[in-house]
Order: sequence, then C-alpha cells, then structure tokens
Amino acid sequence: DAGVIQSPRHEVTEMGQEVTLRCKPISGHDYLFWYRQTMMRGLELLIYFNNNVPIDDSGMPEDRFSAKMPNASFSTLKIQPSEPRDSAVYFCASSLGGLYSNQPQHFGDGTRLSIL
Amino acid sequence: DAKTTQPPSMDCAEGRAANLPCNHSTISGNEYVYWYRQIHSQGPQYIIHGLKNNETNEMASLIITEDRKSSTLILPHATLRDTAVYYCIAPNFGNEKLTFGTGTRLTIIP
Repeated sequence: DAGVIQSPRHEVTEMGQEVTLRCKPISGHDYLFWYRQTMMRGLELLIYFNNNVPIDDSGMPEDRFSAKMPNASFSTLKIQPSEPRDSAVYFCASSLGGLYSNQPQHFGDGTRLSIL
Repeated sequence: DAKTTQPPSMDCAEGRAANLPCNHSTISGNEYVYWYRQIHSQGPQYIIHGLKNNETNEMASLIITEDRKSSTLILPHATLRDTAVYYCIAPNFGNEKLTFGTGTRLTIIP
C-alpha cells in the first residue's frame, strides 16, 4: 500500500509569497496530522483532523498558517504571507482510529521549505 | 504527555543487539509507550508500542518493567541502516498528540 504522500518535496520561495503544502493520507485513515521540524524546536504538532474536521489547532503558530481537509484523501497547509522563520521541514502523518485504538501514526517524507 | 528521559547518544557495533533505554516514571496506568525513529532526511518511522506486556514485531522488541517506569527498545541484530534518532513517547491517554523530545542518536559502527 502507498504510504502518506506529500508534495512538493522541496520548496524554495521568497518571503511574502503564499506557500501551499499538500498531503494525501493513507487510504482509509481517519486521522491526519501536520507537524513541523526545526533544529531549534524539534518536531512539533501544528494541527490534526479527525474525519476531515480540525480537532486541535493549538500548535498553529499564527494566523498566517491555515490548514484544510476538504475530503478524506487530501489536506493542505497554507502559509500566507511566508517569512524566513517559517523555513522548516513539514511532515504530514495519518492514522486509523488514533493512538489509543492501538493505531500508530504513519509519516510522509516531508516537505523541506526554504523562505528566502 | 508523561515526561520521558533518554540518553542523548549511543553507539553499537554492527551485528550486535542495540538496547535503548527510556525512563517514564510519571506514566499513568493506561498510557502506552510508543517508539519511533527518524533516519536522516526522512519522516519518523513507527517501530513498536506497548502498555504492560513485552512486545515483539519484525523490527524490534520492547521490554517494559513491571512498575512501568522504564522500558528498553531492543534491535536484535543492528545494521548500519539502523543508524537514526530514536524517540520514546508516552502520550497522554486520549490525546492524539505525539510529543517528540530530543531522543537518542544511535550510531551503528561497522
């Protein structure tokens, strides 16, 4: 089975531009997670969805960040306007039923974002 | 999440068993222990998880002490491809957040 698919793998853009990251979860999974990894802060959860509904967005750094899940097979994380401090690797993960249903999260290979 | 403590780094000879410890003395009775690893430039990879009993799968074994205050991840025959950062996580019951700490950087030596 295909794993979590993220696109693009790399993105380089200038500050002020809009950035859209995409994620296709594993088919049938009902949880979807967005994480960000930096050297300073490590790997941190930004937001997660259950059945396409945002459940916890307390990790979203500020209003410049937004995430949507229009259907069970697609999610986007958007940054507008982007700033150099948003440079990081962004990971998407999905799971079936959640951690306490004995179901681990499975991660994609990430999008490496550089804001110049 | 229950606080977990891991050594920052470890070395292991190729072909030997790698034993990675984790302390989680504040873990609650119904909280799982999850192990993930992250190989350079890749996304975190699920390894194994457990509650009370020891667990084994095709990747590793997980030994949890009877009082559940600590656990050990065992890679029985380490290979160079096992070089990675290993994370021990004890998410709060009912919470879907995985809080990744600094983990243990395991280096497999030829």
